[in-house]
Amino acid sequence: EAQVTQNPRYLITVTGKKLTVTCSQNMNHEYMSWYRQDPGLGLRQIYYSMNVEVTDKGDVPEGYKVSRKEKRNFPLILESPSPNQTSLYFCASSLGAGNNEQFFGPGTRLTVL
Amino acid sequence: EDQVTQSPEALRLQEGESSSLNCSYTVSGLRGLFWYRQDPGKGPEFLFTLYSAGEEKEKERLKATLTKKESFLHITAPKPEDSATYLCAVQADSLSSASKIIFGSGTRLSIRP
Repeated sequence: EAQVTQNPRYLITVTGKKLTVTCSQNMNHEYMSWYRQDPGLGLRQIYYSMNVEVTDKGDVPEGYKVSRKEKRNFPLILESPSPNQTSLYFCASSLGAGNNEQFFGPGTRLTVL
Repeated sequence: EDQVTQSPEALRLQEGESSSLNCSYTVSGLRGLFWYRQDPGKGPEFLFTLYSAGEEKEKERLKATLTKKESFLHITAPKPEDSATYLCAVQADSLSSASKIIFGSGTRLSIRP
């Protein structure tokens, strides 16, 4: 089954404790992206990747890191989480940047205390 | 600055009562405009891509149209299962952000039986 998976689905952590949210797709997609979704603000793009080893900042990259060492994986790293990073996070992938039928993962709900 | 605004924020309709959702955008050049549907607790699900003014796409009770400044999602004779949040997104056609995607904050649609 074609899908985007994220882990964990739910995470409660404390300020400053490094964490990684994994994202994997099995569709051989080139384009992958991370979003956060907050009430009233909609989906905001954090980082995106056009292909392996190619990443770029979205609208809200501060406090986040990403890497794309393999085509299928695109982990999101919070080196020192803060309470304002409490949010619902979605990973998405598509064939290419110009083909934007994006497939979204199920979401990761992160709470930073 | 590239921007996407959706209206209304929320819309309640009676089953069978047709209506339209609006997405107005300001971008330096439009590469594509996308509509997604999001059910509570799930990731967005792709509906349509529109590329140029005058273009229209249809799927069941939904029809998306595009002008140079806005897009409409028309819902004809909606059913309760059409209840969801509908998201609009744009991809700008600029060298500095050709792969960045900007979402609106969505319209929450509720259809009463």
